[in-house]
Amino acid sequence: GAVVSQHPSRVICKSGTSVKIECRSLDFQATTMFWYRQFPKQSLMLMATSNEGSKATYEQGVEKDKFLINHASLTLSTLTVTSAHPEDSSFYICSATPGFGDFRYNEQFFGPGTRLTVL
Amino acid sequence: GQNIDQPTEMTATEGAIVQINCTYQTSGFNGLFWYQQHAGEAPTFLSYNVLDGLEEKGRFSSFLSRSKGYSYLLLKELQMKDSASYLCAVMGREGSQGNLIFGKGTKLSVKP
Repeated sequence: GAVVSQHPSRVICKSGTSVKIECRSLDFQATTMFWYRQFPKQSLMLMATSNEGSKATYEQGVEKDKFLINHASLTLSTLTVTSAHPEDSSFYICSATPGFGDFRYNEQFFGPGTRLTVL
Repeated sequence: GQNIDQPTEMTATEGAIVQINCTYQTSGFNGLFWYQQHAGEAPTFLSYNVLDGLEEKGRFSSFLSRSKGYSYLLLKELQMKDSASYLCAVMGREGSQGNLIFGKGTKLSVKP
């Protein structure tokens, strides 16, 4: 149980276009979803925290108008990279928290990631 | 500021034991996680420590000392499939948000 999927797994786009990445919790309802970005040989960096039905909370330095997050339901969150540029090329990973499990923490289950390449 | 340090790379031999260290300085502490990440894949959960001491789970053990801001992951009876990056992550802020601050990861290479 607790499976998270992402779509697409890979995307290549031209500079200036927008790209939408979907994150779905397949067998549980996610009260909270997180979006991370990982550059080569770097750590996962939290971009934003998303709660269903409310606005996402962005980390410092992340442009909310460039990285649009929509958490429309308890099983789906989307990240749209608007007007993508080559420096946005990265590995984008989402995670979801079901709100159950070990009472000490809300375990995050990670999606398989989306490799974005902007030409 | 927030800082999590771990070695960049380590090499070990199949069947041996390896210890991966992690030191952290974060504003707030609500637990430390270890994840395994194979190249191009999502991290998978290995362990969680919130109290001082050792947590053992099969071939993997994790230790925490909150006063020293230090943790280690111990892998026993290494197998070739253990070759991966190991990420140390601290849950900084309290509450249900549960956001994680990740280290850069330690790339472990297991050789025959």
